[in-house]
Amino acid sequence: GENVEQHPSTLSVQEGDSAVIKCTYSDSASNYFPWYKQELGKRPQLIIDIRSNVGEKKDQRIAVTLNKTAKHFSLHITETQPEDSAVYFCAASRAGNNDMRFGAGTRLTVKP
Amino acid sequence: DTGVSQDPRHKITKRGQNVTFRCDPISEHNRLYWYRQTLGQGPEFLTYFQNEAQLEKSRLLSDRFSAERPKGSFSTLEIQRTEQGDSAMYLCASSPRGQGSGNTIYFGEGSWLTVV
Repeated sequence: GENVEQHPSTLSVQEGDSAVIKCTYSDSASNYFPWYKQELGKRPQLIIDIRSNVGEKKDQRIAVTLNKTAKHFSLHITETQPEDSAVYFCAASRAGNNDMRFGAGTRLTVKP
Repeated sequence: DTGVSQDPRHKITKRGQNVTFRCDPISEHNRLYWYRQTLGQGPEFLTYFQNEAQLEKSRLLSDRFSAERPKGSFSTLEIQRTEQGDSAMYLCASSPRGQGSGNTIYFGEGSWLTVV
């Protein structure tokens, strides 16, 4: 089955700096890669996703890149703000995503 | 609020008791999922329904766990003879009919279970 590894587990940056979180996956058939943001005690919320037919996707300050050959994908947050502080999870699944696998999460702290 | 809703949000129970959680998915979504999340970990898949049919179950779902979705709308997750290791947040999620390569799944706020 799919195995998703995520690093770093914790990341602290200064407000305005960029943050990068990386994930690797094991199942070469995986073709859907979402990223979720979870604030303490809240639900995971989708912030961006990418499908295997594209290599990069951007939405304002957030971007995701995918390298299918190396089986890794990354989340990039530019101009970080204190409200970006949360736990971020990557995930991977095949078509139908009946069993989406999540990484262990990265706790991002943006210091004002 | 038209998102995924879960009830109760918090439950404290004594070891050995049974508990039941309810999930109401987004109304037009035919797929429903249950995940479990412990502190410091990502959500772990438990089971999946397409309409009323339970199509997949994780090995994490022991025989003390049972999930139903009788009319293809809301779902219940029951844990019998709870153990302290069952303490976790139980997340429900839903997604619309398949679009080919993967569907966006939307999570509820979760049901926190504490077994004492």
